[in-house]
Amino acid sequence: DVKVTQSSRYLVKRTGEKVFLECVQDMDHENMFWYRQDPGLGLRLIYFSYDVKMKEKGDIPEGYSVSREKKERFSLILESASTNQTSMYLCASSSLGVYTGELFFGEGSRLTVL
Amino acid sequence: EDKVVQSPLSLVVHEGDTVTLNCSYEVTNFRSLLWYKQEKKAPTFLFMLTSSGIEKKSGRLSSILDKKELFSILNITATQTGDSAVYLCAYSNSGYALNFGKGTSLLVTP
Repeated sequence: DVKVTQSSRYLVKRTGEKVFLECVQDMDHENMFWYRQDPGLGLRLIYFSYDVKMKEKGDIPEGYSVSREKKERFSLILESASTNQTSMYLCASSSLGVYTGELFFGEGSRLTVL
Repeated sequence: EDKVVQSPLSLVVHEGDTVTLNCSYEVTNFRSLLWYKQEKKAPTFLFMLTSSGIEKKSGRLSSILDKKELFSILNITATQTGDSAVYLCAYSNSGYALNFGKGTSLLVTP
């Protein structure tokens, strides 16, 4: 079974703090993604990566950065957390392919910024 | 601009009812449409649809795509309380990522 593991299920941080969200997948997938999920807004893509050290902005990259130094690991970084970044963050991965729409999700990291 | 719209946004039914969830889309370079179920945690994959008119089934769940009218439906027959969840529709086009609708929240009451 594909496993996508997010290191922190729940985090509480203060405004201005630097926040790292870690995600590891064990299926040798090329593609990895960070989404945030908010009530009434659905899932919105923050960043994705299709290869090591490669990254692409999604729909809402402002205030976030990412790092992919190893194929299995994709990190989301909030340089200076703000209250409007309180959200559920979902990491996902997928393999390369023509019709490979399916994503495999982690359990999510619920971040609260005070 | 590409978009996907789900309806209704929320729904309450009694156990045993049949429900139909809708997903309409306007997408350039459309590849596939996917359905996910999300309970309190990670979304789990249900179906991927690429061809029009071919029904996919899994137990009491089924789904079909109409590429002419640009919509998909997800049917759940004989609903159970365990079907209570948010159902997400998403499309894949020429990019790497999936693009999601806002979801339909389904509550099945005993």
